[in-house]
Amino acid sequence: GQSLEQPSEVTAVEGAIVQINCTYQTSGFYGLSWYQQHDGGAPTFLSYNALDGLEETGRFSSFLSRSDSYGYLLLQELQMKDSASYFCAVRASGNTGKLIFGQGTTLQVKP
Amino acid sequence: SAVISQKPSRDICQRGTSLTIQCQVDSQVTMMFWYRQQPGQSLTLIATANQGSEATYESGFVIDKFPISRPNLTFSTLTVSNMSPEDSSIYLCSVAYGTGFGANVLTFGAGSRLTVL
Repeated sequence: GQSLEQPSEVTAVEGAIVQINCTYQTSGFYGLSWYQQHDGGAPTFLSYNALDGLEETGRFSSFLSRSDSYGYLLLQELQMKDSASYFCAVRASGNTGKLIFGQGTTLQVKP
Repeated sequence: SAVISQKPSRDICQRGTSLTIQCQVDSQVTMMFWYRQQPGQSLTLIATANQGSEATYESGFVIDKFPISRPNLTFSTLTVSNMSPEDSSIYLCSVAYGTGFGANVLTFGAGSRLTVL
């Protein structure tokens, strides 16, 4: 089957750095994405990796190692507003809209 | 990025009834995607809505239960038919930005939260 694994919950304090890991097992691989979802809100795109290495976008970075079927999202200088669920998602086919999502990691940022 | 309007935003429905969710995009897009997110769970693709042809359903989802219309390049509807409490979920419409890198980025509507009693 196809699956993505990520931790269910992570807690950190304001100003800290947190890393959310994602391992995947899919029949195909066209890239790993990260989405943020606040309670009651829509998922919003954060980052995308198609090739190995680190992608940086402001306070957020994402890493991919295709040989290890592994990636992570790094959030720096945590703010209270970063408290949300974070989903990793693999595009496993040529259908650009077909993403396989992980179960999500709930990040709680404490003062 | 595209702006997606979805309605209704929420509804409470009786068992056995059907509800149609509408999705309007502010620009023309080739494909629109319908996802389901059950309470506290991840997102699962229901189907891809193609303009001018039948929707493509994912494993576990069938047209009789989730009929989809796509009359033009900016609009789609998803109907949840003969609802049961197990259909209580958030239903999300989404589109991809476009080509190249943008093809890998999904924009989601705000979702339609359905509660079936």
